[in-house]
Amino acid sequence: AQKVTQAQTEISVVEKEDVTLDCVYETRDTTYYLFWYKQPPSGELVFLIRRNSFDEQNEISGRYSWNFQKSTSSFNFTITASQVVDSAVYFCALMNTGGFKTIFGAGTRLFVKA
Amino acid sequence: EAGVAQSPRYKIIEKRQSVAFWCNPISGHATLYWYQQILGQGPKLLIQFQNNGVVDDSQLPKDRFSAERLKGVDSTLKIQPAKLEDSAVYLCASSLVGHSGDDEQFFGPGTRLTVL
Repeated sequence: AQKVTQAQTEISVVEKEDVTLDCVYETRDTTYYLFWYKQPPSGELVFLIRRNSFDEQNEISGRYSWNFQKSTSSFNFTITASQVVDSAVYFCALMNTGGFKTIFGAGTRLFVKA
Repeated sequence: EAGVAQSPRYKIIEKRQSVAFWCNPISGHATLYWYQQILGQGPKLLIQFQNNGVVDDSQLPKDRFSAERLKGVDSTLKIQPAKLEDSAVYLCASSLVGHSGDDEQFFGPGTRLTVL
């Protein structure tokens, strides 16, 4: 069975704080893809990053960074120096390579206060 | 480049009524997805089309939901009859190819359905 768990339902931080959003996944596949999406109040999901299971390199893009650890089945997302515009719901997702079906976690709602 | 278009943006109906949603994917995208997002949950795939053929509809409640993608472009999702638990946001997404993890899904703004 495949599953994505985002244990943090809501996180509230003050602007300029760093925040980490946790994601733990379950899969029996050896080849799979992991994603993070952002859903602002407007509703559209915005793609942030993709990682395949063979690439455990961490990635940094501006204030965003991602830590992928196969040993713990985790794919955590850190926002450095958070801003009010980062307020949104963030989803972690898993795609198998059998049917290329994407399974989403329940999401973490991030509030960044000025 | 225009994004994924959906209409209507909002719909309120009574239970047992019918409703239809429309999606226009990004031009040239072969794969189209319909997701259901219940409040407080992540999107759940209802159906996936590759051109005008169905790739996956394992989570589509086929007794009341139907979807089609005529000519491999636009798609409609219909609910008949609606139940209270169908209240959700219905998201349409498209991707260029679909059968690849390197292929990005682009999402539309969604249709928020309220069933009273």
